[in-house]
Amino acid sequence: DGGITQSPKYLFRKEGQNVTLSCEQNLNHDAMYWYRQDPGQGLRLIYYSQIVNDFQKGDIAEGYSVSREKKESFPLTVTSAQKNPTAFYLCASRDSSEGTEAFFGQGTRLTVV
Amino acid sequence: QKEVEQNSGPLSVPEGAIASLNCTYSDRGSQSFFWYRQYSGKSPELIMSIYSNGDKEDGRFTAQLNKASQYVSLLIRDSQPSDSATYLCAVNLISSGSARQLTFGSGTQLTVLP
Repeated sequence: DGGITQSPKYLFRKEGQNVTLSCEQNLNHDAMYWYRQDPGQGLRLIYYSQIVNDFQKGDIAEGYSVSREKKESFPLTVTSAQKNPTAFYLCASRDSSEGTEAFFGQGTRLTVV
Repeated sequence: QKEVEQNSGPLSVPEGAIASLNCTYSDRGSQSFFWYRQYSGKSPELIMSIYSNGDKEDGRFTAQLNKASQYVSLLIRDSQPSDSATYLCAVNLISSGSARQLTFGSGTQLTVLP
């Protein structure tokens, strides 16, 4: 079955620690995205990539980093510079055509302990 | 002004009623509009997409688009308790950088009362 897989589903981070969230898709989509969602809020764009080996900052990129070495994979690292990382993180992908819908993974809930 | 703005909610309607969800957007050049439904703790799922002015119907759902007014809405007829969720409006618009990206509103929480 085609889809997007995020792992882990739940993640706990200690203060000052970097953590990496995994996102893998087998939909053959060119574009991949990371969004952050806080309770009662919409989705805010962290980073996006429209092609392998290229990515762009979204609206809230500070404290985050990404890589896009393979078409299928777009991992997100939450660095210690992100002071308030507790949130629900969603990875999405879509065909590169502008009018197409985005498909989402099941999300990773990150909590600072 | 927010780039994609939704009526704040929460919205409560009785079972069987029509629920009306509204969304305005800032980029007059936007061409693609989407409504997603998100249950608590889950990821968003697409309900409707609309690209042309007018109405688009799919079962109990109708999306309405007015590009001149920069307005898109979602009507849910014969609302059911299972429709209780947060509804997110998403618009392809110029945000960061030069390319249009899918930008979401803050969502409207809908509760359908049995």
